[in-house]
Amino acid sequence: DAGVTQSPTHLIKTRGQHVTLRCSPISGHKSVSWYQQVLGQGPQFIFQYYEKEERGRGNFPDRFSARQFPNYSSELNVNALLLGDSALYLCASSPGGRGYTFGSGTRLTVV
Amino acid sequence: KQEVTQIPAALSVPEGENLVLNCSFTDSAIYNLQWFRQDPGKGLTSLLLIQSSQREQTSGRLNASLDKSSGRSTLYIAASQPGDSATYLCAVDNYGQNFVFGPGTRLSVLP
Repeated sequence: DAGVTQSPTHLIKTRGQHVTLRCSPISGHKSVSWYQQVLGQGPQFIFQYYEKEERGRGNFPDRFSARQFPNYSSELNVNALLLGDSALYLCASSPGGRGYTFGSGTRLTVV
Repeated sequence: KQEVTQIPAALSVPEGENLVLNCSFTDSAIYNLQWFRQDPGKGLTSLLLIQSSQREQTSGRLNASLDKSSGRSTLYIAASQPGDSATYLCAVDNYGQNFVFGPGTRLSVLP
């Protein structure tokens, strides 16, 4: 079985641009969560989706948005990029309450 | 608001030593607790998941314990090897909504 897959693996963007990150959960997992990990810190929760509905939102500005598609894949969108958005963005999937499996992440660099 | 801390922040040991990593959390009303390993620049690899009703879990040389009442978990690594060098993250699941991560313990095992 394929694990959680994220694309792209690396990305360089300019301040003010928009970015879309993608995540495909493990087959059968209906819950997808997004986390931001700044260098040297633990991951911070951004969003959780379950059955295409937003179930939780962390303390991030409205420039961050996400959605989940009927096949349970998900996109994270960030508008008006700032230098401080440079981080590793992690996606995790879960069958629901029984632990999470994380993808390898997307490394976003904003210049 | 759930807060998770990890002690020590960094640890350097010679190969073969047994070691203990500590995790503390402020709100004992958790769903489960999960320990992850992260290699530099990579995603998270799940090591052990402890449900709130469990006291410990074991996998190979790893043993994790959970004491909800005191808000503590420990990860015990037996007979450490250089390949164990990584950052170890403790994460608390707030009833399936999101993880709250600690800052991690950076482990270096010297040959």
